[in-house]
Amino acid sequence: DAGITQSPRHKVTETGTPVTLRCHQTENHRYMYWYRQDPGHGLRLIHYSYGVKDTDKGEVSDGYSVSRSKTEDFLLTLESATSSQTSVYFCAITTGPEYGYTFGSGTRLTVV
Amino acid sequence: EDKVVQSPLSLVVHEGDTVTLNCSYEVTNFRSLLWYKQEKKAPTFLFMLTSSGIEKKSGRLSSILDKKELFSILNITATQTGDSAIYLCAVGDGTSYDKVIFGPGTSLSVIP
Repeated sequence: DAGITQSPRHKVTETGTPVTLRCHQTENHRYMYWYRQDPGHGLRLIHYSYGVKDTDKGEVSDGYSVSRSKTEDFLLTLESATSSQTSVYFCAITTGPEYGYTFGSGTRLTVV
Repeated sequence: EDKVVQSPLSLVVHEGDTVTLNCSYEVTNFRSLLWYKQEKKAPTFLFMLTSSGIEKKSGRLSSILDKKELFSILNITATQTGDSAIYLCAVGDGTSYDKVIFGPGTSLSVIP
């Protein structure tokens, strides 16, 4: 969809292990975002990027880090996974102000 | 603190009914209001509203914004089972990174 893919689609990991989720876009968009979605909370911004090596924190950034070494890739790392980080993670790009965000298909992460 | 509130949180209707979904917001630097539909996967964009009183329509869906009272409604007429989804309201913040604040969503179920 609109050149944005996430990997993996599903992952189960153990508490305390590091996990990296990948978002890849082919649209050359400057802005990329990582959200998590949980029942009752909607989508909450974790981190965002406005260019290569330019990233900043969102509202729920604790326990997460990001990197963007190339325009097309935005990586989200859970440094030491906890059960509270069990969630569905969405990457998004902005295609233009009249279209809002375009989302990737999501990664369902379970921390056991 | 910026926030977006949606009501109701869930709704069950019969096919053919008309539904109205509500979204109110408190955002310091309002830029736009967006509606998304989320079925099983990623949210998909429906509308973006920036001006009060101008209705946007797409088939059986329509939406309008009231910037004075800080709310928007999404109407769906002659509902069909395919309209069953979570409807997300989001408000664009006028900061440089196209920040978007999401509401918790309204879960709509349309039964035959």
